[in-house]
Amino acid sequence: QLQLQESGPGLVKPSETLSLTCTVSGGSISSSSYYWGWIRQPPGKGLEWIGSIYYSGSTYYNPSLKSRVTISVDTSKNQFSLKLSSVTAADTAVYYCARQPQPLRYDYWGQGTLVTVSS
Amino acid sequence: QSALTQPRSVSGSPGQSVTISCTGTSSDVGGYNYVSWYQQHPGKAPKLMIYDVSKRPSGVPDRFSGSKSGNTASLTISGLQAEDEADYYCCSYAGSYTPFGGGTKLTVL
Repeated sequence: QLQLQESGPGLVKPSETLSLTCTVSGGSISSSSYYWGWIRQPPGKGLEWIGSIYYSGSTYYNPSLKSRVTISVDTSKNQFSLKLSSVTAADTAVYYCARQPQPLRYDYWGQGTLVTVSS
Repeated sequence: QSALTQPRSVSGSPGQSVTISCTGTSSDVGGYNYVSWYQQHPGKAPKLMIYDVSKRPSGVPDRFSGSKSGNTASLTISGLQAEDEADYYCCSYAGSYTPFGGGTKLTVL
C-alpha cells in the first residue's frame, strides 16, 4: 500500500524559508506514470495547488506562488521536497503531498502537516 | 488564473440526491476531460471520489457520479447517507496549472 508522509518544522518565522519533505513508501517515486504534488489548505479555507514534479526533475508551479517556490526530487531516498521562501502569515496552512497520475488526479495523499508562520 | 467556482453549501435529506457544480472556463473545465472531485472530512486528508470527469476509483460507491457540460462539471450524490456530510472540492487540468474549486460544504439534514 502506497504511503506518503510529510515532515518538517511546524513553525517558521516571517521572511524565512519553509522547507518540507515528503517520503514515499510502498512504491517508487521513479515510476513514469506519476507526477508528485504539493497542495496546501489554510485553516478554515479551501485547497490550493502549489506545484508538481516528475521523477526526472521536471516541474510546474502555481503562477501565484512561482516566484517563491522550489520543488525538488531525490530518487535515491524516494522523497520530494518543497521550499517556499519569504513566508508571511498568509502561508500558514496544512501542507499535503500527493501522488498525481497523469495528467491530473491526486489519488494518494499524505496526512498533512500544519505549518504556522509566526515570530 | 483563478479558482474554479463552486456553491458554498448544499444540503439534502437522507436518501435524496444532491448535485454540486464546478464552473470554470474553456481553458480548464471546458477544455479538457480531466476534472476530479475530492471529499474531505474535518481534520482528514482529501479523498479522490471521481476522476476524468466521470470515472470512479475502486472502492468509491456508485452513488457518486460525475458529469460535464461545457465549462461546468457536476458531482451528483444519490441516496444520501449521513457519512456523506463533508466538504467537496473539484479540480481541473488547465495545461501547466491545476486549479481547485473553492469547496462546497454538504450538509445531510
